Amino acid sequence: EIVLTQSPATLSLSPGERATLSCRASQSVSSYLVWYQQKPGQAPRLLIYDASNRATGIPARFSGSGSGTDFTLTISSLEPEDFAVYYCQHRSSWPPWTFGQGTKVEIK
Amino acid sequence: QVHLQESGPGLVKPSETLSLTCNVSGGSVRSASYYWSWIRQPPGKGLEWIGYIYYSGNTIYNPSLKSRVTISLDTSQNQFSLKLSSVTAADTAEYYCACEEVAGFAFWGQGTPVTVSS
Repeated sequence: EIVLTQSPATLSLSPGERATLSCRASQSVSSYLVWYQQKPGQAPRLLIYDASNRATGIPARFSGSGSGTDFTLTISSLEPEDFAVYYCQHRSSWPPWTFGQGTKVEIK
Repeated sequence: QVHLQESGPGLVKPSETLSLTCNVSGGSVRSASYYWSWIRQPPGKGLEWIGYIYYSGNTIYNPSLKSRVTISLDTSQNQFSLKLSSVTAADTAEYYCACEEVAGFAFWGQGTPVTVSS
């Protein structure tokens, strides 16, 4: 099973600041890495697939990069609605698909 | 736009079987374009993928749950279902049905809470 480790656990930032979230895989997942956003009481929302492709309707301030074992989600300038928990997930080779433990982006 | 809605009991007794259904609209469970999954999230914790079913009826389960999980399709009702047997308190969670399209879970149900308690 591939383990995904996200860091930091919590990111305290102000609106307008840049957020950089990390996801590291225990073995290569090529570019088969997905990012989600989850707000309290809601289901996760797909942000980025295949490491760097924005899903339909996702604003350009969200971008993803990386391949192999190291990935980054960047929010270029935080909007009030971006404060949430972010999860990475791999869909490499064979299941089980696993998720990282999440990074909470909170208002400083 | 695929819309998903979970339904089922919110309370299950220990050792019994948890049964949930996901009603699908805006898309067909017979379509080869989608994989239909169940995902759960214990209170205050992260996400765990349970398994998926394809239009052909083929299933893949998380090995950690494989001995207790069954996912099935009902094409006449355009829905798919989850059965999890021999539940314990550790199975208490929000249960989501989700649809994988191109890559990643693009569509999610709103989730349904299930508590395992006597």
